[in-house]
Amino acid sequence: DAKTTQPPSMDCAEGRAANLPCNHSTISGNEYVYWYRQIHSQGPQYIIHGLKNNETNEMASLIITEDRKSSTLILPHATLRDTAVYYCIVRISNSGYALNFGKGTSLLVTP
Amino acid sequence: DAGVIQSPRHEVTEMGQEVTLRCKPISGHDYLFWYRQTMMRGLELLIYFNNNVPIDDSGMPEDRFSAKMPNASFSTLKIQPSEPRDSAVYFCASSAIKGQGAQNTEAFFGQGTRLTVV
Repeated sequence: DAKTTQPPSMDCAEGRAANLPCNHSTISGNEYVYWYRQIHSQGPQYIIHGLKNNETNEMASLIITEDRKSSTLILPHATLRDTAVYYCIVRISNSGYALNFGKGTSLLVTP
Repeated sequence: DAGVIQSPRHEVTEMGQEVTLRCKPISGHDYLFWYRQTMMRGLELLIYFNNNVPIDDSGMPEDRFSAKMPNASFSTLKIQPSEPRDSAVYFCASSAIKGQGAQNTEAFFGQGTRLTVV
């Protein structure tokens, strides 16, 4: 699996958009980008994933650059409950389907 | 579905004792994963099963750790004998193949078991 690089921490004001970057410059053509988050004392929670195209669901949007070497997770209107550690993961389908979590980005949403 | 269910939620045991952690995956899921999380090492994959068969146990730290999945609805992670450095939060997760391949799957995690070995 390609390695990912994320900033260790970020702050965001409540109600504003939170933009979490992720670099994955060694990503291969058949590797997907996944985002999970972990709220304190809970298990990780799936957010969104994508291959090439931008994706949006009820939780967030995922913007992948054309060269696929980086991506951005967007929480359009951050709330205090979005305070969590966000993990960007890239994986290939035949890697065993397991997730290799890095250190993630600790997002603090402030009032 | 109630999601992935882990028990117990908290376990405190003395060094040298046997510890058994339990997991009930989501019904219909054919993949089950055991992870361990510590402050120092983050989230680490220990082992995963497909259709009750262990596929990759390379993350199991030592022979003191063993995992079983006797049927599709139950798995255990056993530590014998336990040591203080085994103190961590242990997560179980399950997922199912859908669509064209497992890259489209999402994993669902339980609430974890916080293990303290004193």
